[in-house]
Amino acid sequence: QVQLVQSGAEVKKPGASVKVSCKASGYTFTSYYMHWVRQAPGQGLEWMGIINPSGGSTSYAQKLQGRVTMTRDTSTSTVYMELSSLRSEDTAVYYCARDPSGSYLLDVWGKGTTVTVSS
Amino acid sequence: EIVMTQSPATLSVSPGERATLSCRASQSVSSNLAWYQQKPGQAPRLLIYGASTRATGIPARFSGSGSGTEFTLTISSLQSEDFAVYYCQQYNNWPPGAFGQGTKVEIK
Repeated sequence: QVQLVQSGAEVKKPGASVKVSCKASGYTFTSYYMHWVRQAPGQGLEWMGIINPSGGSTSYAQKLQGRVTMTRDTSTSTVYMELSSLRSEDTAVYYCARDPSGSYLLDVWGKGTTVTVSS
Repeated sequence: EIVMTQSPATLSVSPGERATLSCRASQSVSSNLAWYQQKPGQAPRLLIYGASTRATGIPARFSGSGSGTEFTLTISSLQSEDFAVYYCQQYNNWPPGAFGQGTKVEIK
């Protein structure tokens, strides 16, 4: 079955970077786009960006431009999201989610990775 | 920039009753509207896409309607497992993937 397995929880200090992974299985990795969405404690969903695993092209939310980088490794069917210059407001659960057609419709989600930014 | 507004913020409903959730877009999104369900401690799950098409495995008690700027999610007879937060999302305009702020459906 289709699965997105994310890496474990992280605790980081302000100013540091974090890299979260999302390993896909059960489908052809390069045939589906992947998004990252985050959710701060008690808050709603915030779209962060999209990566095309086939060619590696990306598009990011304007507010995160310059701090977020999404990459992929086709040999392991894994996408990565790296966020730099972390601040307390980046404390959130980070989800990867599959997009069947590049339409920004998200049909399968990972379970989430908690990132805590604290001094 | 398109803004998605959901109402009400919280909906108190008794099991077995009907729940009606609303989502409004600040400009037309055609039928490019999805609904997601999120239970505490879990990832969101796709319920409805194309404003009215149920995703795979979603029970028939969930239905979506609307187009343009006004959308509705109806749960015909609430079951215990349906108490959750529901988000709408447009995938038509920039910024892509914009979500509403969510409606919490709680037990009355």
